[in-house]
Formats: sequence, C-alpha cells, structure tokens
Amino acid sequence: EIVMTQSPATLSVSPGERATLSCRASQSVSSNLAWYQQKPGQAPRLLIYGASTRATGIPARFSGSGSGTEFTLTISSLQSEDFAVYYCQQYNNWPHTFGQGTKLEIK
Amino acid sequence: QVQLVESGGGLVKPGGSLRLSCAASGFTFSDYYMSWIRQAPGKGLEWVSYISSSGSTIYYADSVKGRFTISRDNAKNSLYLQMNSLRAEDTAVYYCARGVAGYSSSWYEEWGQGTLVTVSS
Repeated sequence: EIVMTQSPATLSVSPGERATLSCRASQSVSSNLAWYQQKPGQAPRLLIYGASTRATGIPARFSGSGSGTEFTLTISSLQSEDFAVYYCQQYNNWPHTFGQGTKLEIK
Repeated sequence: QVQLVESGGGLVKPGGSLRLSCAASGFTFSDYYMSWIRQAPGKGLEWVSYISSSGSTIYYADSVKGRFTISRDNAKNSLYLQMNSLRAEDTAVYYCARGVAGYSSSWYEEWGQGTLVTVSS
C-alpha cells in the first residue's frame, strides 16, 4: 500500500497570503494525484486531479504541482472560504490512499 | 445535476450488520465505477471498497475484507454496502463516491453527503 504523508498537519495563514501544502508518496504515483477540500459537516470536494489540473469551477488561485513522490497545493491569496482541511489522494495503485490531511486555519 | 444520496446508517451493536445504499441520479450510472470511502469521527479519509461499472471487478480494503460486500444494481442506479461483523472501529461517516467514466482508477469527481454508522453496545 502506498502511504501518503501530508505536511504540515496544521497551517496558520492570514487572509490574502499564500498557503503551500505538501504531500509525499512512499513510492512514485506518477501524476496520479488529487487534492480535495473538506469543510466541517460537508463531503470532500475535488480541487485538483492529475497533480495539476483544476476541477470544474475551482478558482485559479488554487494550483497543484509535482510528480513522482512530491506534490504541492498552493493557494495564492487566501479567501475566508478557503479555511478548511485539505487531503491528497493517490489513484496510481489500489488501494487508493489518502494523506492524513492539512488543516488550514486563520492566523 | 449529479446526486449521490446515501442511506441506511444508524446505531448497531458490535457483531451486528447494516446495509448501506447510495442512490445515484443525474448521470448514466452504469458508465462509472463507484467506491465507498469512510471517515471516522475527527479523522481522515479511508477508502473502503471499489466496484467497476459493470460490477465484474471488486476490491476491498484489508480492514473490511471478508466482512463487507459491495454491490450495485445498474437498473436501479444504486450502490450498496453490506456490512457484517461490525466492530467499534467501523464507526464512521460512509460516503459513496463516483470515479471517472472510462477509467478503472481515478480521482473522485462526485461525493454523496454521507451516512453515519455507529457501532456501540
């Protein structure tokens, strides 16, 4: 099973600033990586797939990069609605595995 | 619009059984693989089971293998998860999630709102 490790566990950032979230895979997943946003009491929402392609309706301030084992989600200018938990997920191999999440909180 | 609506969650005693359902609408259900993904209270996401669009290929997480059974009825646009021999550690919100048409493995484009399963005596 591929282990996905996200860092940091919690990130405190001020509105308007940039946030950079990291995800590392225990072995190469090529570009088969997705990012999701989850707010309290809600289901996860797809943000990025293929490591860098924004899903439909996702604002341009969200961007993804990386391949192989190292990936990054960048939110260029944080809006109030962006404070949430973010998960990465690899779909290169079964079982699909998720990172443990990064909580993005208001500084 | 695409909708996935889970039902069947509730409180069950350890060793008991529960059957979850997911009703799909707004898309051609038979074109998509489906998965169940769960989230224990205050924890992260854990993939549980996968079923191909035709139902011919099925995978399970090791944590549920031999206890859970996934199935689908494409005529009824429905996905199911039969959960037997339930344990306290199965307590979670269970989401049904849709893959991408034509892929055997992909990201999850659509998610239901989830149904809570609580295993406790």
